[in-house]
Amino acid sequence: AQRVTQPEKLLSVFKGAPVELKCNYSYSGSPELFWYVQYSRQRLQLLLRHISRESIKGFTADLNKGETSFHLKKPFAQEEDSAMYYCALMSFNKFYFGSGTKLNVKP
Amino acid sequence: KAGVTQTPRYLIKTRGQQVTLSCSPISGHRSVSWYQQTPGQGLQFLFEYFSETQRNKGNFPGRFSGRQFSNSRSEMNVSTLELGDSALYLCASSGYGPIGSGANVLTFGAGSRLTVL
Repeated sequence: AQRVTQPEKLLSVFKGAPVELKCNYSYSGSPELFWYVQYSRQRLQLLLRHISRESIKGFTADLNKGETSFHLKKPFAQEEDSAMYYCALMSFNKFYFGSGTKLNVKP
Repeated sequence: KAGVTQTPRYLIKTRGQQVTLSCSPISGHRSVSWYQQTPGQGLQFLFEYFSETQRNKGNFPGRFSGRQFSNSRSEMNVSTLELGDSALYLCASSGYGPIGSGANVLTFGAGSRLTVL
């Protein structure tokens, strides 16, 4: 069965420090994976998706099929990165979300 | 392009009542999905509609139901409300395309916050 696991509920880092939000998935086929972000008092929105291989707001995520992971990384965290981050997998038009990681970037 | 619109934004109900939430997707989007968001459980998938047909369903009791109209607008209904139904209910719409096409991206509404007393 498809499942997305985000092991950390809360991640606190200092401004300028590297940050890695972990995401592991279970899926038998070729997944389509996403990271969604929800800033305070804003809508949940797409941050990036693996098929685009893009960097958004300095964040990147690499799909590692061997480790079934899609970790989100940023080399230098900023205070405005503080938000709730959800990893998601899409299979047959159904999205599976992880439980989310709250990132707190301290000044 | 107007975003996903959800109404009402806030509502308070008492146990045993029922509630209907509405969602208007982005113009041209034919897929509408619903999610329940709570601090403890995160985002949980309720159901997804495409061209007026329920295409996918999550693991929620039958008290939760939905429908989609010919203009792609969708409603979800919760009957016999329980305290545990208090949550933010999110609607999302998406285009439709093959894997890797970039069409399968969810655009979320602001949500309807339901409080059950």
